[in-house]
Amino acid sequence: DAKTTQPPSMDCAEGRAANLPCNHSTISGNEYVYWYRQIHSQGPQYIIHGLKNNETNEMASLIITEDRKSSTLILPHATLRDTAVYYCIAPKPQGGKLIFGQGTELSVKP
Amino acid sequence: EAQVTQNPRYLITVTGKKLTVTCSQNMNHEYMSWYRQDPGLGLRQIYYSMNVEVTDKGDVPEGYKVSRKEKRNFPLILESPSPNQTSLYFCASRRGRASGLFGELFFGEGSRLTVL
Repeated sequence: DAKTTQPPSMDCAEGRAANLPCNHSTISGNEYVYWYRQIHSQGPQYIIHGLKNNETNEMASLIITEDRKSSTLILPHATLRDTAVYYCIAPKPQGGKLIFGQGTELSVKP
Repeated sequence: EAQVTQNPRYLITVTGKKLTVTCSQNMNHEYMSWYRQDPGLGLRQIYYSMNVEVTDKGDVPEGYKVSRKEKRNFPLILESPSPNQTSLYFCASRRGRASGLFGELFFGEGSRLTVL
């Protein structure tokens, strides 16, 4: 897996966009970037993934830099329910080992 | 409904008393894995299985065993639990590898284990 680095915590005002960065400078050409979130102590939930193009789904947008060394998860209109720990990972496609790291704890405040 | 089911969800036990945490998925996924989560340490992988009868160590396998005799089940076995195995445990699965894609992981709801 490519090593990923995320800030330990971030705050965001309710209704504003939350931009969560992830550094993955050692990522290989065939390694996708995946984002998950974990609300309280529930099982992590898949959000989105991408290789080199920007991606958007009903939950979030993913912006990957052209050199693929970093990415940003965007929650366009954060709500209190988006308060969670967000994990960015870049697993080897053919591998089984996964390194999650500690993620970013996002607090959405009213 | 597609799901990963873990049992028990909560368990308090004593040092040395063997226990098994079961994990079952109904999505016909090839890959399954176990994680533990401790405060300040994030999710750490214990073991994973690429398919039936194929298992391998993750980052923190000491003190744990697994088996994969059937595709749907991947039990985590603590032969002689110790207090340092008190943790929140998660099982996850994903379908087989599409070309170039690791694939989306589906997680269970977690099993909180306390070893006294």
